[in-house]
Amino acid sequence: EPEVTQTPSHQVTQMGQEVILRCVPISNHLYFYWYRQILGQKVEFLVSFYNNEISEKSEIFDDQFSVERPDGSNFTLKIRSTKLEDSAMYFCASRRLAGALTDTQYFGPGTRLTVL
Amino acid sequence: KQEVTQIPAALSVPEGENLVLNCSFTDSAIYNLQWFRQDPGKGLTSLLLIQSSQREQTSGRLNASLDKSSGRSTLYIAASQPGDSATYLCAVMDDMRFGAGTRLTVKP
Repeated sequence: EPEVTQTPSHQVTQMGQEVILRCVPISNHLYFYWYRQILGQKVEFLVSFYNNEISEKSEIFDDQFSVERPDGSNFTLKIRSTKLEDSAMYFCASRRLAGALTDTQYFGPGTRLTVL
Repeated sequence: KQEVTQIPAALSVPEGENLVLNCSFTDSAIYNLQWFRQDPGKGLTSLLLIQSSQREQTSGRLNASLDKSSGRSTLYIAASQPGDSATYLCAVMDDMRFGAGTRLTVKP
């Protein structure tokens, strides 16, 4: 069964460094998402992406964050200058249909980001 | 702003018991609600998605119901097994708003 994959599974970085988290959505999916989950807290929406542009973003997704689909398969989240509070599990998700909210989102296994 | 609440935060039951997990949301104008399972340190596995036009969805031993007028959804797990131990999350996918989850432990 197709699945969303994410790399790396764990990333450790120093405060102020740039990190890029990578995701490979399911191949025929059109809508892509990033979420984060700080340890012990709720899953929080960051951004959605469709047709090579941001569709929606939350208040968390400030100028330090950016997303890109550099080729036909990868979807990346970049954090320009990491802060301690960026430490969290970051999940990528995708769904097949563009216009239907009634479509299931499929989540990747996550990347645990630790900022020291 | 949509708020999603799950009660209880944790639940421990003996194997074989039927159980109900609760999810409430503040804005009843939703298109769909999705239930997920999350194992410790892992990603989210989609269990069931209920569209606003539906009242319930079933998959195996799982049954999810949706009552928009009261702002509630329930996840019913029949004949629970130790392998069901996990955190169960509900989310209003229109707004991508998640509840904090119910941590379920099924004891052998």
